[in-house]
Amino acid sequence: DQQVKQNSPSLSVQEGRISILNCDYTNSMFDYFLWYKKYPAEGPTFLISISSIKDKNEDGRFTVFLNKSAKHLSLHIVPSQPGDSAVYFCAASERQNTGKLIFGQGTTLQVKP
Amino acid sequence: DAGVIQSPRHEVTEMGQEVTLRCKPISGHNSLFWYRQTMMRGLELLIYFNNNVPIDDSGMPEDRFSAKMPNASFSTLKIQPSEPRDSAVYFCASRRGADGTEAFFGQGTRLTVV
Repeated sequence: DQQVKQNSPSLSVQEGRISILNCDYTNSMFDYFLWYKKYPAEGPTFLISISSIKDKNEDGRFTVFLNKSAKHLSLHIVPSQPGDSAVYFCAASERQNTGKLIFGQGTTLQVKP
Repeated sequence: DAGVIQSPRHEVTEMGQEVTLRCKPISGHNSLFWYRQTMMRGLELLIYFNNNVPIDDSGMPEDRFSAKMPNASFSTLKIQPSEPRDSAVYFCASRRGADGTEAFFGQGTRLTVV
């Protein structure tokens, strides 16, 4: 039972354009959401997060949007750069409950020059 | 801080052998996670410790897998006996508290069972 789902295995965008990565979840107990970036042969690194009491969080070129009613979040990267090419993982946590941290399957982003 | 340290980085073993993966979390972090990366399931949570106590081990595939956290600075994931389908990259991550924000990952152990 996949509680966090990233239904697009891959995404390809042109440099300078917007990249939109999507994530859906099923557990209504999740109250904190994160995005991680992973390069080959490295561990995932934290990118940006959002609490369930917010619907948007922005950090430079990266913005995360949360739609609680739809149990959906997305990561926007504007403008996309070739160095953004990596696997992006969505994650969700029950901070006020067990603290368990669950990840999705990942989406491979390729930004073409 | 050196970050989360995992060893070994690579492990090749024969089917049926015992494999032990090791993790040293970041000092002061009291939540620790073990994940396995697969194409189908992405980062699959195997087990989660808080204050050295296993909170959720529902992701451990079967009895061949076991994990321990004898103290706040060390954890092991053991597979006995190992099988070819266990081949994957195993990650350890630590976080400051159950209600903490982001978790920090080690570089992973690539396990190959032949």
